[in-house]
Amino acid sequence: ETGVTQTPRHLVMGMTNKKSLKCEQHLGHNAMYWYKQSAKKPLELMFVYNFKEQTENNSVPSRFSPECPNSSHLFLHLHTLQPEDSALYLCASSQGSYTDTQYFGPGTRLTVL
Amino acid sequence: SQELEQSPQSLIVQEGKNLTINCTSSKTLYGLYWYKQKYGEGLIFLMMLQKGGEEKSHEKITAKLDEKKQQSSLHITASQPSHAGIYLCGADSGSARQLTFGSGTQLTVLP
Repeated sequence: ETGVTQTPRHLVMGMTNKKSLKCEQHLGHNAMYWYKQSAKKPLELMFVYNFKEQTENNSVPSRFSPECPNSSHLFLHLHTLQPEDSALYLCASSQGSYTDTQYFGPGTRLTVL
Repeated sequence: SQELEQSPQSLIVQEGKNLTINCTSSKTLYGLYWYKQKYGEGLIFLMMLQKGGEEKSHEKITAKLDEKKQQSSLHITASQPSHAGIYLCGADSGSARQLTFGSGTQLTVLP
């Protein structure tokens, strides 16, 4: 247990579906992150929120829409995804800066048909 | 942009053997993080190194940071099946405002 939970753990969706991934941290951290991990590729940072404000968006397609209602919760809304979006989506949190140790959740394995 | 190269990409060792994994950066390292990942799961934080020459140990795992070589090494002594997994390094280049990660080293420990 890292103090970061993610739901669902597995998700299969069609290209026209709308779904959401949820992340919750119980560490009292102020920064939260979404990463994408594809096979044989390094982790790719997608979004960063610090004190509920989005501070980084690494040119992520608009079919991915993040939401951070408070410092403990982070969502990733998915809409009209492509098969190449199939990957493990990891949420992480840190005390504040990206240089503070990031603690990761177990991930959501997403398959887009 | 910073790139991290991990070597080897995969490693198979007999239980009880020592092993070393390397992480080499294309840019100056301001902070280096080691994580372990079980297949399909999240990353578990192992250690963070910040200063050149710094060395940290946790149980049978030791990590070192060589600032001049822009490299970190992770050494496991007397490996056990519980050490099996994917080891990832992450680094701060000081300019990108985010961590860069390597592609990982897949470790298999045979009983």
